[in-house]
Amino acid sequence: QVQLVESGGGLVKSGGSLKLSCAASGFTFSDYYMSWVRQAPGKGLEWVSYISSSGRTIHYADSVKGRFTISRDNAKNSLDLQMYSLTGEDTAVYYCARDSTSWNFDYWGQGTLVTVSS
Amino acid sequence: EIVLTQSPGTLSLSPGERATLSCRASQTISSSYLAWYQQKPGQAPRLLIYRASSRATGIPDRFSGGGSGTDFTLTVSRLEPEDFAVYYCQNYGDSRYTFGQGTKLEIK
Repeated sequence: QVQLVESGGGLVKSGGSLKLSCAASGFTFSDYYMSWVRQAPGKGLEWVSYISSSGRTIHYADSVKGRFTISRDNAKNSLDLQMYSLTGEDTAVYYCARDSTSWNFDYWGQGTLVTVSS
Repeated sequence: EIVLTQSPGTLSLSPGERATLSCRASQTISSSYLAWYQQKPGQAPRLLIYRASSRATGIPDRFSGGGSGTDFTLTVSRLEPEDFAVYYCQNYGDSRYTFGQGTKLEIK
């Protein structure tokens, strides 16, 4: 069965950096686009970034462009999100999600919490 | 940038009743790119409906989606206790994904 397991969340100071990872299993990882979606405490869902199956196409939400970098390693079935210049507005649960062929998210990880303190 | 507005913000109904949730787009969008999710407290979202009206794998047939253009709906024909949750609509366009702000479906 499809599994997505995020790691790397934690407490970081404002202006700091953090790297999230997502380990994928149960499907052919290299066939799928992948995304990061976040959810601030008590708030709605916000898409952060996606990366194509090959890694050649990448897009970011305006709120993170220039500060976050998404990458993937198809040999290791892993997805990363490197985050720089973090602020309190980046405090959220970060979900790794598989992009289906219909441009939606058919599988999600359980999320990893990132807390940015001042 | 396309904005999705969901209404109502909160919907209070009883088990067995019918729920109709709305998602309105700020401009015409393709039905092919409209999806609905359910999220329960402490859990990741779950895909319910894709391409506006297709049920995802394992989703009960009491869930249905419809609409076109700028107005889309998610209907739960007969509410079960496990259906009380937050629901989000989502669109893809211009190389980005957008979510609505969510509708909370609560027990009356």
